Amino acid sequence: DAKTTQPPSMDCAEGRAANLPCNHSTISGNEYVYWYRQIHSQGPQYIIHGLKNNETNEMASLIITEDRKSSTLILPHATLRDTAVYYCIAWARFRNRDDKIIFGKGTRLHILP
Amino acid sequence: SQTIHQWPATLVQPVGSPLSLECTVEGTSNPNLYWYRQAAGRGLQLLFYSVGIGQISSEVPQNLSASRPQDRQFILSSKKLLLSDSGFYLCALKDGYYGYTFGSGTRLTVV
Repeated sequence: DAKTTQPPSMDCAEGRAANLPCNHSTISGNEYVYWYRQIHSQGPQYIIHGLKNNETNEMASLIITEDRKSSTLILPHATLRDTAVYYCIAWARFRNRDDKIIFGKGTRLHILP
Repeated sequence: SQTIHQWPATLVQPVGSPLSLECTVEGTSNPNLYWYRQAAGRGLQLLFYSVGIGQISSEVPQNLSASRPQDRQFILSSKKLLLSDSGFYLCALKDGYYGYTFGSGTRLTVV
């Protein structure tokens, strides 16, 4: 799987949009970009994923650059409950039966009241 | 829908005691299952994964072992716990859409 690079931490004011960047310059054509978040003392939670097109769901939006070398996760109206560690993963979903996700250190997002 | 169950939620064990953490899944058959550990303030470390009954792959050499006695059951064990085994243990299930679905985790403190 392609290596991803994320800033170690970010701050965002409550109510504002939180924009979390991720660099995946070595991503291959069959690798999806996945985002998870981990709230303290809980298991990581799926947020969103995409291949080439921008995606939106009830939690967030995912913007992937045209060259697919980077992406941005957008939380449109951040709340204190969005304080968590956010992981960006580049992963080929159906490549091998025994493939596995290796998590990096992610971005620790602090929502400021 | 697929669900994953882990227990117990918290565990305090003395050094040298045995360990058994259980993970069971529902709503799927023949899943890929994974054990991760997160030490305090650290990232997620993949410990073991299994693609089927009796099939275990170890990612890092350590004081732990894993077993998969049934299709939907994944067990993490130790014969003698070390202080360094303390951490947050997570079981995960590979999902074709969501990537991984994680259990709620077990916080293990070895004293």
